[in-house]
Amino acid sequence: AQKITQTQPGMFVQEKEAVTLDCTYDTSDPSYGLFWYKQPSSGEMIFLIYQGSYDQQNATEGRYSLNFQKARKSANLVISASQLGDSAMYFCAMSGTSGGGADGLTFGKGTHLIIQP
Amino acid sequence: EAGVVQSPRYKIIEKKQPVAFWCNPISGHNTLYWYRQNLGQGPELLIRYENEEAVDDSQLPKDRFSAERLKGVDSTLKIQPAELGDSAVYLCASSLDSGARVTDTQYFGPGTRLTVL
Repeated sequence: AQKITQTQPGMFVQEKEAVTLDCTYDTSDPSYGLFWYKQPSSGEMIFLIYQGSYDQQNATEGRYSLNFQKARKSANLVISASQLGDSAMYFCAMSGTSGGGADGLTFGKGTHLIIQP
Repeated sequence: EAGVVQSPRYKIIEKKQPVAFWCNPISGHNTLYWYRQNLGQGPELLIRYENEEAVDDSQLPKDRFSAERLKGVDSTLKIQPAELGDSAVYLCASSLDSGARVTDTQYFGPGTRLTVL
């Protein structure tokens, strides 16, 4: 079975600083995808970035980058130059070719990020 | 491009009452998912559709939950009768099946927040 662990329940960061959100995963699948989503208080899950297990380069999307360390099974999200609008819940998730029958995403419990002015 | 549409956004009912949630996926997306998100947790998959076929409903509590996706577009998730423990946010997501599911990005709707009294 797949598992995602996010060890930071909450984080406070000063505006304009960089922030790293931790994510470790466990899977026996040889092929999988890793995703980060942002969930503001409005409730919608917003896709941020994707990393494939066979990708050689770390994924980047604007201010977001994914620090993928396959041997350590970690997929940390890095937000550069944080903004007040970045305050939200952040979820790490993974897909796989097997998952005990469940073929959707497996999510972690999330990290509540608060950006302070 | 319009995103995933869900309605209603909020629903308050008394226990033992029926309730239904509606989802319209992104145009052209053939795969549709229903997730349940309990307070303080990440979403958990309930059911996945490929076109009109439910290909994975192993996590759906079939004694009281049902779902349908007629014509492979819109979908409805129903609970009958609702219990106190069903209070949660019900999220719908869709993706374009690329043939390699691990890379398919799921796009989520705003969710329906259900409160059972």
